[in-house]
Amino acid sequence: GENVEQHPSTLSVQEGDSAVIKCTYSDSASNYFPWYKQELGKGPQLIIDIRSNVGEKKDQRIAVTLNKTAKHFSLHITETQPEDSAVYFCAASYNDYKLSFGAGTTVTVRA
Amino acid sequence: DSGVTQTPKHLITATGQRVTLRCSPRSGDLSVYWYQQSLDQGLQFLIHYYNGEERAKGNILERFSAQQFPDLHSELNLSSLELGDSALYFCASSVGRGPYGYTFGSGTRLTVV
Repeated sequence: GENVEQHPSTLSVQEGDSAVIKCTYSDSASNYFPWYKQELGKGPQLIIDIRSNVGEKKDQRIAVTLNKTAKHFSLHITETQPEDSAVYFCAASYNDYKLSFGAGTTVTVRA
Repeated sequence: DSGVTQTPKHLITATGQRVTLRCSPRSGDLSVYWYQQSLDQGLQFLIHYYNGEERAKGNILERFSAQQFPDLHSELNLSSLELGDSALYFCASSVGRGPYGYTFGSGTRLTVV
């Protein structure tokens, strides 16, 4: 099955700086790559997603890039704010129903 | 509020017992997915139902079972509980059969003592 690796596991950034999280996937057939944000005591919340026919997608301060040749995709958060502190998960789907998740990145934004 | 409702929020039970977790999907969503989140295994897919029918199984133990009812709510039954079953159990829903735009509930935290 699909294997998704996520790095780094923890990330501490100064408020206003950028944060980058990287994921790699194993199955070249994967065609859907969402990112989820999980705050303490809550379920994962979809923040942005990208499909395999698109190389980059942006939504305000967050962006995702996809390199299908290298089988990796990244989340970029610019101008980080304290409310961006959370656990972020990448995921990939290759069989159109289930998501395979990365292990998560704990992001801490220092004021 | 995501629109996906899970009950109960917390559950503490003893080894060997059986529990039922309930999930009501977002209005209009036909698919329900169950995931287990533990510290060492991350988010693991358990099972998927679409409009009342089982569509796919993941890493679901034989002691676990699920169903989706005509009103589209779903229940996950966990039996002969072991300490290792302690985890967060999430359900997610989506409109179609695919994982696009999954919406997760807030989860049920199960503690087996």
